[in-house]
Amino acid sequence: KNEVEQSPQNLTAQEGEFITINCSYSVGISALHWLQQHPGGGIVSLFMLSSGKKKHGRLIATINIQEKHSSLHITASHPRDSAVYICAVPNTGNQFYFGTGTSLTVIP
Amino acid sequence: DTAVSQTPKYLVTQMGNDKSIKCEQNLGHDTMYWYKQDSKKFLKIMFSYNNKELIINETVPNRFSPKSPDKAHLNLHINSLELGDSAVYFCASSQAIGRNEQFFGPGTRLTVL
Repeated sequence: KNEVEQSPQNLTAQEGEFITINCSYSVGISALHWLQQHPGGGIVSLFMLSSGKKKHGRLIATINIQEKHSSLHITASHPRDSAVYICAVPNTGNQFYFGTGTSLTVIP
Repeated sequence: DTAVSQTPKYLVTQMGNDKSIKCEQNLGHDTMYWYKQDSKKFLKIMFSYNNKELIINETVPNRFSPKSPDKAHLNLHINSLELGDSAVYFCASSQAIGRNEQFFGPGTRLTVL
């Protein structure tokens, strides 16, 4: 079993839909990261959070430390949101564990 | 100006060769990383390097060795390349390890023939 589990693996949505991607982890963490990998391959960091909730534009990330669970929400989804979203968790030994990614396709 | 840069972007080589991938960051960060992304797009950390302390993922073969001439550079040397080394390799940096946002390089696609 992977230390970090993401769901769903693949997601297709209509433009404008509200999207949720989930991440559950089993290792102890200092902070959880959400990454976005564009179709061209580049990776950008979306959020780094250790508690509560963060918001950037149409993206919202939440984390529940007790339940070892985080969610990434996209409001009013747009075709340019199509990408792979990856959850990453560093453990107390500073090793990073990655989820397998969620491939999102937003259809116009 | 690119924050984290890698060279080359593409690298095609024969099995058994030795090759290097270079990484530079101009963000003044203290920590740098190397990741491998396999054909199934799964990311795995290979190394993290912080203030001359190297943390190695135990699954990485010792044919892979990171070398850091200074805080802004972390190069990846690979000896005796194997077919299974074909992957995309990403360099990244952060202010400190674990609790800070990471900035990724564009990746180097290595193909071993």
